[in-house]
Amino acid sequence: DQQVKQNSPSLSVQEGRISILNCDYTNSMFDYFLWYKKYPAEGPTFLISISSIKDKNEDGRFTVFLNKSAKHLSLHIVPSQPGDSAVYFCAASGASGTYKYIFGTGTRLKVLA
Amino acid sequence: DAGVTQSPTHLIKTRGQHVTLRCSPISGHKSVSWYQQVLGQGPQFIFQYYEKEERGRGNFPDRFSARQFPNYSSELNVNALLLGDSALYLCASSLVWNGMNTEAFFGQGTRLTVV
Repeated sequence: DQQVKQNSPSLSVQEGRISILNCDYTNSMFDYFLWYKKYPAEGPTFLISISSIKDKNEDGRFTVFLNKSAKHLSLHIVPSQPGDSAVYFCAASGASGTYKYIFGTGTRLKVLA
Repeated sequence: DAGVTQSPTHLIKTRGQHVTLRCSPISGHKSVSWYQQVLGQGPQFIFQYYEKEERGRGNFPDRFSARQFPNYSSELNVNALLLGDSALYLCASSLVWNGMNTEAFFGQGTRLTVV
């Protein structure tokens, strides 16, 4: 049972444009959500997070939106840069009493120069 | 400041063997978690340790075990290796284990190949 889903395995965007990465979850008990970026041969790098009491969190070029009623979150990157090309994972936690993360399967973003 | 460090970075083992992977968390972090990432999937939770006690366990067989030391470093042990254990093993550290808004920081991982 995939509780966190990233339905787009890949996304290509032109440099300077907006990248929108989407994530859906099924467990309404999740209360904390994170986005990680992963380059090949490296571990995931924390990007941005949001708690369920908010619907938006912004950090520089990165903004995460949370729609609890739709059980959907998205990551917006504006403007996109070639260095943003990586695999992006969304993760959720808080549903089980521990703070383990449940990860999606990832979306590979390619920013074209 | 040093980030999360894992050793070794790559490892090749034969089926049936045992492996030990090591992790040093960020200084001041008391919680360490282990994840397994197979190709094409997101990381899957294996264990979480805090103050040397197991705080969470994922859906992995008993061949997988872990421990945390007084200096908060951690080891992941896998016995009787199977081909399906080939994966990237990630260690993550965080300040606490049960706090809201607690992001975890990952090491570069250990790539285990079982032949």
